[in-house]
Amino acid sequence: NAGVTQTPKFQVLKTGQSMTLQCAQDMNHNSMYWYRQDPGMGLRLIYYSASEGTTDKGEVPNGYNVSRLNKREFSLRLESAAPSQTSVYFCASSEAPAGGDRAKNIQYFGAGTRLSVL
Amino acid sequence: KQEVTQIPAALSVPEGENLVLNCSFTDSAIYNLQWFRQDPGKGLTSLLLIQSSQREQTSGRLNASLDKSSGRSTLYIAASQPGDSATYLCAVKGGSYIPTFGRGTSLIVHP
Repeated sequence: NAGVTQTPKFQVLKTGQSMTLQCAQDMNHNSMYWYRQDPGMGLRLIYYSASEGTTDKGEVPNGYNVSRLNKREFSLRLESAAPSQTSVYFCASSEAPAGGDRAKNIQYFGAGTRLSVL
Repeated sequence: KQEVTQIPAALSVPEGENLVLNCSFTDSAIYNLQWFRQDPGKGLTSLLLIQSSQREQTSGRLNASLDKSSGRSTLYIAASQPGDSATYLCAVKGGSYIPTFGRGTSLIVHP
């Protein structure tokens, strides 16, 4: 099983360029998440989608936009990249955002996208 | 704002030791707490998830406990092995559905 697939794995951008990070899951999950991981800061939530058709801001949404294209896919867009957005980006999914059966809340992560903005 | 602290930040032990990793959080109004493992250059792998109504979860050599009233969780690893070497992260999910992660404990188990 593929689980959560992120593309690309690596990317180098120049300041001001735009790009879209792609994420797809094949587990029929309702909820999807975008995180960034920085040294000394831990993982921080950028945006999440509790269910198809909804998106909400996380802890650090500035400079990003998201699209929940369908139940499987959740993309993250950088409209005008800045050096401060150099990071490792992770996509994750879960069957439900919270509550109910424990197993439904477990988050499954992709392998990450390593982004450098010069 | 929820804050999550993991102690120790790093740990190096010989193979076979029993280990306790700690996670503390400031706001006890949580839905659940999840422990993850992250290998260098990789994504996160879920180890255990404890709902707010539960006290502990077990999987193989791993046992995680939760004391909501004191804002603490521990991850117990029995009979550690070199393959357990990784960074261990805890994440607390509160009412806003936004998880808050600790910065992790980097574990090295040497033969």
